[in-house]
Amino acid sequence: QQQVKQSPQSLIVQKGGIPIINCAYENTAFDYFPWYQQFPGKGPALLIAIRPDVSEKKEGRFTISFNKSAKQFSLHIMDSQPGDSATYFCAACQGAQKLVFGQGTRLTINP
Amino acid sequence: KAGVTQTPRYLIKTRGQQVTLSCSPISGHRSVSWYQQTPGQGLQFLFEYFSETQRNKGNFPGRFSGRQFSNSRSEMNVSTLELGDSALYLCASSLGGGVTDTQYFGPGTRLTVL
Repeated sequence: QQQVKQSPQSLIVQKGGIPIINCAYENTAFDYFPWYQQFPGKGPALLIAIRPDVSEKKEGRFTISFNKSAKQFSLHIMDSQPGDSATYFCAACQGAQKLVFGQGTRLTINP
Repeated sequence: KAGVTQTPRYLIKTRGQQVTLSCSPISGHRSVSWYQQTPGQGLQFLFEYFSETQRNKGNFPGRFSGRQFSNSRSEMNVSTLELGDSALYLCASSLGGGVTDTQYFGPGTRLTVL
């Protein structure tokens, strides 16, 4: 019930392409869904986040789509760049600071 | 503002020893959370402290403990180290610990247990 399932594990996209990372959850009590980006040797950094009463949120080239009935949410990166190559984690939070993370997606953007 | 700092950055210990990791949150942040990151299990929540009180706890054995000081700095202790405790230990701080408060992560402490 506390799991967040993330796919794919790894993804290779050409520069300018639109990588899509998907996450699914079971616990309907989750009320906050952030995405984190992690570069090697660094801690995760918040990229974008959404509440379940919103179906889509855009910040720059990053978009979260949220489907409450399906208990799924996804990250789209528009006009991807080699600098976007990193590991991406979806997460879910319920009422406090306890983040439940997906397993991560290693994204590579080829020039 | 300085970011979250963690010390030491790297540690090598042997089985059975104990270790203490330190985290200094961003100035003004009162909530500190700890996570363990491993290739197999990913990022897992250990515990969260707010105003020197543990508010949340993950599913880790009692060998993992923590505390928070009045200046919001936090320490994490692991006793009787096991090989499986080898991991990157991440600390994150946030302003008030509300659900939408952004958690800012430090660079982590890489612990290797031999």
